[in-house]
Amino acid sequence: SQTIHQWPATLVQPVGSPLSLECTVEGTSNPNLYWYRQAAGRGLQLLFYSVGIGQISSEVPQNLSASRPQDRQFILSSKKLLLSDSGFYLCACPLPTGSDNYGYTFGSGTRLTVV
Amino acid sequence: QKEVEQNSGPLSVPEGAIASLNCTYSDRVSQSFFWYRQYSGKSPELIMSIYSNGDKEDGRFTAQLNKASQYVSLLIRDSQPSDSATYLCAVKRTDRGSTLGRLYFGRGTQLTVWP
Repeated sequence: SQTIHQWPATLVQPVGSPLSLECTVEGTSNPNLYWYRQAAGRGLQLLFYSVGIGQISSEVPQNLSASRPQDRQFILSSKKLLLSDSGFYLCACPLPTGSDNYGYTFGSGTRLTVV
Repeated sequence: QKEVEQNSGPLSVPEGAIASLNCTYSDRVSQSFFWYRQYSGKSPELIMSIYSNGDKEDGRFTAQLNKASQYVSLLIRDSQPSDSATYLCAVKRTDRGSTLGRLYFGRGTQLTVWP
């Protein structure tokens, strides 16, 4: 079964600073990958998804961007963080082996606080 | 997110009782439905999936789906203090002609099981 690695686990960044969060998947090849954010009181919001290298779709307009430089790597970035970017960022991958017929498994997440 | 709505809670039940969690969704073409459990500070974990109308049982958990009413529920029998968590309802949407699905989540219902 696949494993999703995310780092860092926690991050405190000042407003206006850049951001780079990394997600790496093991145990599967060419999976669909997803970035979610969980902000206080708002539930899990889908931000980006990708079906392959260089292929990124944005779900909602925002201050963030995503890239997929390698098959099993998904990166979330920002050039200038806003206070509203604070939240719990989660990378997800379909179960059980990259097939999209089932639910998703999540990485352990990055808790970002913008100050 | 309005696409998936859950009873807001919080829900508090005594140990051994049945906990009932409800969810409605707006997109009639949704085909797959999931319940996730999320402990405080942790990432969500998949506990149930359901695709057909009716009931699906797995141990102490029963998921119920009524596509005509666009309604999904989760029953937890013989609730235990370890069941105390936030439960997230998720609905998968797959665009026609595409193999890419996207999961949309409700805001979650916080459940507390007291001894």
